[in-house]
Amino acid sequence: GAGVSQTPSNKVTEKGKYVELRCDPISGHTALYWYRQSLGQGPEFLIYFQGTGAADDSGLPNDRFFAVRPEGSVSTLKIQRTERGDSAVYLCASSIGRGSGANVLTFGAGSRLTVL
Amino acid sequence: LAKTTQPISMDSYEGQEVNITCSHNNIATNDYITWYQQFPSQGPRFIIQGYKTKVTNEVASLFIPADRKSSTLSLPRVSLSDTAVYYCLVADTDKLIFGTGTRLQVFP
Repeated sequence: GAGVSQTPSNKVTEKGKYVELRCDPISGHTALYWYRQSLGQGPEFLIYFQGTGAADDSGLPNDRFFAVRPEGSVSTLKIQRTERGDSAVYLCASSIGRGSGANVLTFGAGSRLTVL
Repeated sequence: LAKTTQPISMDSYEGQEVNITCSHNNIATNDYITWYQQFPSQGPRFIIQGYKTKVTNEVASLFIPADRKSSTLSLPRVSLSDTAVYYCLVADTDKLIFGTGTRLQVFP
């Protein structure tokens, strides 16, 4: 597609529920990033994929968070047993790849998650 | 971990030039410095990227000294629509870390 698409744009769930957030990156972009942004804060790195594999998942806060990218394109961020502190905007970004000049990320509009 | 430091906020008036400086240490030798702009309810948007010295595009200039321990984003003749949060981004291996961001408010 022309840009990075994220669905849903808004998700309201109850504490303890399971949530999936989807990211459809720009076609041909091998690198895909997930960030989390709380109100008034900068985006916080969660995980980075290069192709199908998670190259760096050190930003995932705990084992309730998991992300996959099985075919090297669409990615899903999965959150189990949601907590109120998980409420934030989850941003996805993609780029052509690592290397010189490759730090240009194109972001989606984000998925706003609210845990009641 | 690469860390960046920016002023939390800046105010300006329409038509003025605005300079936002970002301090960063431990930047990787081969990596670039990139600035992003973010409006409310939107994802960050790429503004400009550079490695050393000066880069200019249609919206901004970026100044990077030889030691690369800082960078300055320059916005010429800002308008009300430039009111946003500006982030400095440097690479830390594969973990691209955003700075704290500078909230720019432009007044008429």
